[in-house]
Amino acid sequence: NAGVTQTPKFQVLKTGQSMTLQCAQDMNHEYMSWYRQDPGMGLRLIHYSVGAGITDQGEVPNGYNVSRSTTEDFPLRLLSAAPSQTSVYFCASSRTGRLPTDTQYFGPGTRLTVL
Amino acid sequence: LAKTTQPISMDSYEGQEVNITCSHNNIATNDYITWYQQFPSQGPRFIIQGYKTKVTNEVASLFIPADRKSSTLSLPRVSLSDTAVYYCLVGLAYSGAGSYQLTFGKGTKLSVIP
Repeated sequence: NAGVTQTPKFQVLKTGQSMTLQCAQDMNHEYMSWYRQDPGMGLRLIHYSVGAGITDQGEVPNGYNVSRSTTEDFPLRLLSAAPSQTSVYFCASSRTGRLPTDTQYFGPGTRLTVL
Repeated sequence: LAKTTQPISMDSYEGQEVNITCSHNNIATNDYITWYQQFPSQGPRFIIQGYKTKVTNEVASLFIPADRKSSTLSLPRVSLSDTAVYYCLVGLAYSGAGSYQLTFGKGTKLSVIP
């Protein structure tokens, strides 16, 4: 299993540009989520999904869109990039997301810089 | 959601045992205690989880006293490769749609010195 994969690893955008961060998992997990991590901070939840066709907002959803058309993929879209979105983005998945004992598996991250 | 308090940073020499304590005074009856490890430029990785007493796996041990108001992650004989940030998570926040989310604090930055 490849686990959770993310592309690209690095990205530089100009303010106002849009882009999609890709996330895929091959573990047949129902639950997938996106976090952002800023320097010296913990991870903050952006959006999550409990299954194909179901998404919802996390703690910091503004400026981001998600969709879940398949179990495997959970792309994160930046509609109009802003410098405040400069961060490291992590995608994670877990078997169901409904049990406190579900382990979350994280991808390697995408480092995004918005100029 | 139980608030957790853990040291911001710790230093240790190679070969020593490291204990990182996390305080969670308002832990709920159903809450589990989970620790994640994050190396620089990588995503967090699950280390260990427990509910009470002691849990041990190939990586670490987790000690939880009877009142469960604190927990201690123990890393035996650390090496340079154990330099990382360690997060203590207690309980899960209900996200809606029957799911739960992890809530990460700032963690403890462990630096292992040769």
